[in-house]
Order: sequence, then structure tokens, then C-alpha cells
Amino acid sequence: DVKVTQSSRYLVKRTGEKVFLECVQDMDHENMFWYRQDPGLGLRLIYFSYDVKMKEKGDIPEGYSVSREKKERFSLILESASTNQTSMYLCASSFPRGGRHTGELFFGEGSRLTVL
Amino acid sequence: TQLLEQSPQFLSIQEGENLTVYCNSSSVFSSLQWYRQEPGEGPVLLVTVVTGGEVKKLKRLTFQFGDARKDSSLHITAAQPGDTGLYLCAGRHIVGGGADGLTFGKGTHLIIQP
Repeated sequence: DVKVTQSSRYLVKRTGEKVFLECVQDMDHENMFWYRQDPGLGLRLIYFSYDVKMKEKGDIPEGYSVSREKKERFSLILESASTNQTSMYLCASSFPRGGRHTGELFFGEGSRLTVL
Repeated sequence: TQLLEQSPQFLSIQEGENLTVYCNSSSVFSSLQWYRQEPGEGPVLLVTVVTGGEVKKLKRLTFQFGDARKDSSLHITAAQPGDTGLYLCAGRHIVGGGADGLTFGKGTHLIIQP
């Protein structure tokens, strides 16, 4: 089974702190994604990556950065956390679309971040 | 912004009842996916529909893709408490859409009461 593992299920941080959210997948997927999920707003894409050391902005990248130094690992960084970044963060991975691959996303269990 | 509207937003019914959840857009999709998310977990893919008019069945769940590939529905027969969760549809656009070409609906919160 595909496994996407997020390093922390629950975090509490203070405003201005630097926050690292780690995600590791074990299926050799090229694509990796970071979403945030908020009530009434659904899933919104923050950043994604199609290859090692490659990153692309999603729909809401402001206040975030990412790092992909190895194929299996995709990190989300909040340089200076703010209260409006309190949210559920979901990491996902997938094969590229095409052939037998339909672009199914495999999600981690989520990291619930609270910024005080 | 290309939107996927899901309805209803919330639904609470008794065990054994039938229900239908809708996912609508003005955009045409190359494919559409349905995910279920249980509390405290990430979404898990239920099905992908690709062809206009396609119907797929997964036990008591029936998924339909509209003929024009702009909408989809999920029908659950004889709902059970284990069906409780957040149901998300996600459409993959032929052109445009979100940064990765995938747009998520906001979800339907389904509660099946014993």
C-alpha cells in the first residue's frame, strides 16, 4: 500500500515562530503536493513539485515555502507563523497523469497546526 | 476561478435511507474523482470517472459522470454509519483550473445516524 507520512499530527506554535512540516512517501511518486483545509473553504493548493529540487506555486503560496531535496520528501516551511495560518495541512503524492495513471492523489493523515 | 459546487453541504440521515450528493460545474472535465475523508484522516480515493455518461458502482455507492462531463453524482443505497464522513469531488480540467489542473469541491459532510 502507498503510504504518505506526515511528521506531526498536531502542532502548537507561537506567532513569529518558524514551522517545518515534513512529508515522506514510499511509492516513488514524482508529484508531491501541500494543501491546507479549512472549514467552508475546502482544500486549497499551497505548493507542488513535479521533480526533485523543482517547485511550483499553487493557489495560495503567500507566507509559505517548500523544499524537495529528495524524491520521497517534500517539506512545507512557514518562515514566520501567523494566526491566519492555523489550519489542517495535508500532503499528497501521485504519479504523473498518463497511461494507466489517472492522477489519483494519495494523502497523508494531516497535520493540524495551531498558531497562538 | 473555475468552481466545483457540491450539494448539499451537510446531510444527516437515518441508517437504511438512500441519499444523493451532487457535484456541478460550468466547466468541462477530463476526469472527475470522488474522495472520502474520515475525521482525523486524509482523503482516500473512492473512484475516478472519465467518460461522459459513465456509471461506476462500488458496493452500495453508485457514481455517475454527466454526459457533458460537467457534473457528477454519488448515490448511496441503504446508508450505514460507516458511510459517515466528508465526501469530496475533484475535477481535472482539460485546460486551466487550479495550479495543478485539479479543482476540489468544498465537500459534503455526511452523518448516518444508527
